[in-house]
Amino acid sequence: EVQLLESGGNLVQPGGSLRLSCAASGLTLSYYALSWVRQAPGKGLEWVSDISASGGSTDYADSVKGRFTISRDNSKNTLYLQMNSLRAEDTALYYCAKRYNYDSSGHHYFEYWGQGTLVTVSS
Amino acid sequence: DIQMTQSPSSLSVSVGDRVTITCRASQSISRYLNWYQQKIGKAPNLLIYAASSLQTGVPSRFSGSGSGTDFTLTISSLQPEDFATYYCQQTYSTPPTFGQGTNVEIK
Repeated sequence: EVQLLESGGNLVQPGGSLRLSCAASGLTLSYYALSWVRQAPGKGLEWVSDISASGGSTDYADSVKGRFTISRDNSKNTLYLQMNSLRAEDTALYYCAKRYNYDSSGHHYFEYWGQGTLVTVSS
Repeated sequence: DIQMTQSPSSLSVSVGDRVTITCRASQSISRYLNWYQQKIGKAPNLLIYAASSLQTGVPSRFSGSGSGTDFTLTISSLQPEDFATYYCQQTYSTPPTFGQGTNVEIK
C-alpha cells in the first residue's frame, strides 16, 4: 500500500521559516515527479511546487517563488519544502502528492496524496 | 494563469439523484482536465483524468465529458458515500489550477 506522510507543520511567526518533509512507503519516490499542494482553512486547492524525478527541474507558484524551495533526497525516499519569509496567507494544510504523467508532454494528475501537515503563520 | 470556474458552488441532492457539475476554463485546455473528490478531513482522491478517463477503482456511476473550455462531471445515481466536495483541475499549462470546488450536500 502506498503511503505518503507529511511532517514539519507548526505554528510560526510571520517572517519565520519551516521545513516540511514527506516520507513515502510502498513506493520508490526516485522514479516519480512530486508536488506540494496546499489548502487554506475552508478554502480550495492551490498547487505550490513541483520537482522532477531526478530533482533537476523545479517549478513554483508565483505566490511562493523566491521564498519556498522544493527538494528531494531519493536515498531517503523523502520530499522536502523549505519555507522562508512566511506570511499569514501561507497558512494552510500542505499536501505532498505523487504526480503521474500520462503523456510525454507532462500532462498529469495527482495519483497519491498524503494526509497533510498544517502550517499556521500568526503572531 | 488559466482560471477554472465551477458551477454550482454547492448543491443539495438526494440519494439516487443524477448530479451534474460543470467546470469552465478561461481558455482552451484541450482535454487536460481532471476531477477530484474530497471528503471532510481527507485528502483529495482522483476520479477522472484527461476529461473522461475513469481512474482505476472509481465506481462507474462517475463519468466525465467535455473538451476545449467546457467540461462536466456526472454522477449517475448519487450514493451516500458521494457527499463531498468536487474539484476540477487543468494540467494544460503551468501552473496547474483548480476550480473553487462544488460541495454536494444532503437535501
